[in-house]
Amino acid sequence: AQKVTQAQTEISVVEKEDVTLDCVYETRDTTYYLFWYKQPPSGELVFLIRRNSFDEQNEISGRYSWNFQKSTSSFNFTITASQVVDSAVYFCALRVYGGSQGNLIFGKGTKLSVKP
Amino acid sequence: EAGVAQSPRYKIIEKRQSVAFWCNPISGHATLYWYQQILGQGPKLLIQFQNNGVVDDSQLPKDRFSAERLKGVDSTLKIQPAKLEDSAVYLCASSLGGQGYNEQFFGPGTRLTVL
Repeated sequence: AQKVTQAQTEISVVEKEDVTLDCVYETRDTTYYLFWYKQPPSGELVFLIRRNSFDEQNEISGRYSWNFQKSTSSFNFTITASQVVDSAVYFCALRVYGGSQGNLIFGKGTKLSVKP
Repeated sequence: EAGVAQSPRYKIIEKRQSVAFWCNPISGHATLYWYQQILGQGPKLLIQFQNNGVVDDSQLPKDRFSAERLKGVDSTLKIQPAKLEDSAVYLCASSLGGQGYNEQFFGPGTRLTVL
């Protein structure tokens, strides 16, 4: 069975602080995909990144960076120099490769509050 | 490019009433998903369509929930009769295809409150 755990329910930081959101996943499949989504108060899930299980290279996009480590089954997300606009709920999700089924398994999310 | 459209955005009903939600996916996207997101949790897949066929409805409570995508484009999700525990946000998403690497694009959701 697949599972995604986001142990941090809520995080509060002051603007310009760095913050890391943790994600631990479980799957027996060797081919899978990991995702991060942002859900602002408006409710729409916004795609941030996709990683496949064969690509452990870390990625940086502006103030965002992701650290994928298969050895610890983790896919952590760091925001550098946080801003108030980063306030949202962030979801980590897992999807296995098999067939045409596209079931995204989501964690429970981490609510990030960035205070000015 | 227009995103995934959903309506209504909000709905309040009494328990045992019926309700329907509508979704129009991104043009050209063959795969459409309905997710249920209960407050404080991540979304959970209810049903996945590939064109107008059902690929996965294993988590759909079929005694009260139904969904259709008759012409392989827009879709409706219906609850009849609604229960208190159905209060949630119902998210529609679409993707080019159903394989794991395909990015899913989400609509703004319909927030359902059952009193």
